Amino acid sequence: DQQVKQNSPSLSVQEGRISILNCDYTNSMFDYFLWYKKYPAEGPTFLISISSIKDKNEDGRFTVFLNKSAKHLSLHIVPSQPGDSAVYFCAAGSNYQLIWGAGTKLIIKP
Amino acid sequence: DTAVSQTPKYLVTQMGNDKSIKCEQNLGHDTMYWYKQDSKKFLKIMFSYNNKELIINETVPNRFSPKSPDKAHLNLHINSLELGDSAVYFCASSQPGFSGPHEQFFGPGTRLTVL
Repeated sequence: DQQVKQNSPSLSVQEGRISILNCDYTNSMFDYFLWYKKYPAEGPTFLISISSIKDKNEDGRFTVFLNKSAKHLSLHIVPSQPGDSAVYFCAAGSNYQLIWGAGTKLIIKP
Repeated sequence: DTAVSQTPKYLVTQMGNDKSIKCEQNLGHDTMYWYKQDSKKFLKIMFSYNNKELIINETVPNRFSPKSPDKAHLNLHINSLELGDSAVYFCASSQPGFSGPHEQFFGPGTRLTVL
C-alpha cells in the first residue's frame, strides 16, 4: 500500500522553463512533507520542506505547494537549469518516520 | 567534511555469507536510520535508532541486525545473505526540530550485490 505516490517516473523540461513535479499522499495524519534531490551514485539531499499547517513554501527557485484537501503537493522549479537534472523524491512524515515516493527523474534539455 | 559516511561503497559477496556495512555521522544528531532502495527505486525504512535505542524496526528478516555502539554510529550486519538482499543501502541521520521538520541527511549509499 503506497501512502506516497509520484505517478510520473520521468519528466523532460526545456532549460529556462518551469518544472512541476507532483506527489499524492493518502494519510491525512502526515505532519510535514519534504522534497529530496538525488544524483546517481549519491545519497538523497534535502531540497525544501513544508509543514502540514502551511500551503506554500518558497526558497529561491524552488517552491512547494500543499493542497491538503486534495492530498497533493507539488514542487515548482523556475527557471529550470541543467544542474537540476536528477531524481526528485517526495517524502511525508510524522514523528521519526518518513514515507517516500518512488521518485521522478527530471531531465532538463538545453 | 563528510557529514554521513558509509563503508564500503560497493560490496560484492556470495550467497550465504555474513557481511557488515558501517555508518558514521559527525553532525551530532541523535537519530540514525537504515534504508533499503530496492530495484523499483523505492526507499524503504528498515531501522531507526535514537540515542542508541531502537525506535523503528520495520518488517525486515531477522538476518538483519543493526548495532549502535554510540549515537554517531549505526552499523548494519547481515547474516546468511540471499540474492534478494541485493540493493543499495542508505544510512541517514536527523535531529528532530534542529533544522526543519525532520530533515534527514544521507550517506552516499552502499551497493550490495549478492551472487
